[in-house]
Amino acid sequence: GDSVTQMEGPVTLSEEAFLTINCTYTATGYPSLFWYVQYPGEGLQLLLKATKADDKGSNKGFEATYRKETTSFHLEKGSVQVSDSAVYFCALSDPDFGNEKLTFGTGTRLTIIP
Amino acid sequence: GAGVSQSPSNKVTEKGKDVELRCDPISGHTALYWYRQSLGQGLEFLIYFQGNSAPDKSGLPSDRFSAERTGGSVSTLTIQRTQQEDSAVYLCASSLGLAQNIQYFGAGTRLSVL
Repeated sequence: GDSVTQMEGPVTLSEEAFLTINCTYTATGYPSLFWYVQYPGEGLQLLLKATKADDKGSNKGFEATYRKETTSFHLEKGSVQVSDSAVYFCALSDPDFGNEKLTFGTGTRLTIIP
Repeated sequence: GAGVSQSPSNKVTEKGKDVELRCDPISGHTALYWYRQSLGQGLEFLIYFQGNSAPDKSGLPSDRFSAERTGGSVSTLTIQRTQQEDSAVYLCASSLGLAQNIQYFGAGTRLSVL
């Protein structure tokens, strides 16, 4: 079945450091790919998405490129801030399911220290 | 406008009791999803509604779990004879129900089974 594997956390970085959180997927169809973020005490929010190969999703300085050849959707940010501290989830939705249900990775907890 | 609303935000119950969790989706959203977030299993899909029907119940972990949706709006997730392994955060999400549409999540209900 479909699955998402993402980088184990926790990840701790200094402010202004470069961030990469790795995500790879397995899917039977041609999935859409997502990064969701969960800030402390808040619900899940969509951070960015890409719906087909070579698409780049971007938001709030974060970027991820849909790489079909490597089945990856790595999250990157050039200069992180303390406010980026959160748990990040990679996810996919597979049209073969007949609906848009999300399959999530295990989540990566990111802490940025000043 | 209002987001996805879930109630209660916290629920503590004794093993063997039944619980009902409520989800109020965003007005006009025809698709509704229930997920569970637990330490051992991560974020996992439970059930999907399109309107009042549930074409995908594949994630419900046992027949103690059931859900309904009325009027194409409010949904209730019921867990009968709760067990300690049911302790988790139960998340509801809604979307417009069209392909590649964003799911908007509620803040969740934290269920603790003693």
